[in-house]
Amino acid sequence: AQSVTQPDIHITVSEGASLELRCNYSYGATPYLFWYVQSPGQGLQLLLKYFSGDTLVQGIKGFEAEFKRSQSSFNLRKPSVHWSDAAEYFCAVGAGTGNQFYFGTGTSLTVIP
Amino acid sequence: EAGVVQSPRYKIIEKKQPVAFWCNPISGHNTLYWYLQNLGQGPELLIRYENEEAVDDSQLPKDRFSAERLKGVDSTLKIQPAELGDSAVYLCASSPTGTSGDTQYFGPGTRLTVL
Repeated sequence: AQSVTQPDIHITVSEGASLELRCNYSYGATPYLFWYVQSPGQGLQLLLKYFSGDTLVQGIKGFEAEFKRSQSSFNLRKPSVHWSDAAEYFCAVGAGTGNQFYFGTGTSLTVIP
Repeated sequence: EAGVVQSPRYKIIEKKQPVAFWCNPISGHNTLYWYLQNLGQGPELLIRYENEEAVDDSQLPKDRFSAERLKGVDSTLKIQPAELGDSAVYLCASSPTGTSGDTQYFGPGTRLTVL
């Protein structure tokens, strides 16, 4: 069965520091992978997605993610975090017919000055 | 391009009362999804529509939940009667098609509180 694991429930980083949010997935075939961000009281906004090809994917707001098939991972990174990046981040795998999305439980990011 | 619109944004009701949520997807998007998001959790699919047809409602608690998508555009999700455990955020999303890997675009959600 398809599943997504985000091992870190909450992460705190200093503004300007680098960031890596972990995501592991379980899926039998080549997955479609997504990272979404959710600010308080808002819906989910797409940061980036991976379908095939280059395993390093660039997204909006300076984010990037790397697909590693051998590790079943799709970690999200940002070289320098801004205070406005504080939010909830969700990793998702799109699988099967009908574009079923399976989401992780999310990682809450706090940015300290 | 307008995004996915949902209303109301917030709703507070007493248990056993009915409640309805409305969603207007992005224009031209054939596929519409309703998700339930509990506090501290990721969204979970309730129902998926292809045009006006509900093609996946396996996760919808049909004893109290119902949904419709008349004319294949707007959609309404209803709960009757509401229970305390229904307090959550109800998200609507749409995608151009239901093809695997198609990006889903989410609305801001309706936060339901059942007292």
